[in-house]
Amino acid sequence: DTAVSQTPKYLVTQMGNDKSIKCEQNLGHDTMYWYKQDSKKFLKIMFSYNNKELIINETVPNRFSPKSPDKAHLNLHINSLELGDSAVYFCASSLRRPNTEAFFGQGTRLTVV
Amino acid sequence: AQTVTQSQPEMSVQEAETVTLSCTYDTSESDYYLFWYKQPPSRQMILVIRQEAYKQQNATENRFSVNFQKAAKSFSLKISDSQLGDAAMYFCAYRRDDKIIFGKGTRLHILP
Repeated sequence: DTAVSQTPKYLVTQMGNDKSIKCEQNLGHDTMYWYKQDSKKFLKIMFSYNNKELIINETVPNRFSPKSPDKAHLNLHINSLELGDSAVYFCASSLRRPNTEAFFGQGTRLTVV
Repeated sequence: AQTVTQSQPEMSVQEAETVTLSCTYDTSESDYYLFWYKQPPSRQMILVIRQEAYKQQNATENRFSVNFQKAAKSFSLKISDSQLGDAAMYFCAYRRDDKIIFGKGTRLHILP
């Protein structure tokens, strides 16, 4: 029974297209995140949501729009995809209190051609 | 702003030997959590071990243990009896409130 699941696992698309990545967690967590992992494996936080409310937006271009319909879901929509958006995107979830670890989805490898 | 530094981009260890991965961090907070995550080629992020800053005792999970030096802001991971399955990227991470910050990772190779 998957704890944090994101779909799709792989996404290949052309420049200029719009795409979405979906994430769901069944751990009862109240905080969800999106991270971007670049080709050098560096993990950088993009967004953090707590109880559907945006808490952190790390100067991500506004082509990236997260949406949290409820505490268990956090989707990421990307408009006008660019070559530089190619990366692995991870969804994660955790409890806000205490500040324990985050559980990660399996990642979505996005390739923009 | 908090930062996490892993100074060893790559390391190698002979199977069955012990290896230590280094991590330092910078924070002005006194209460926080530290983690080590493992990312094998499957790309899944797996929690290896956690340490709460208010606990002086070093965390241990089977073959994995940490050396937490709060004053020095150091949090190293020791892997004993290294196994081929330990080959992966290892990330040190810091959490305070809503942000979890990761170091740049150390790629660990296990030599048979």
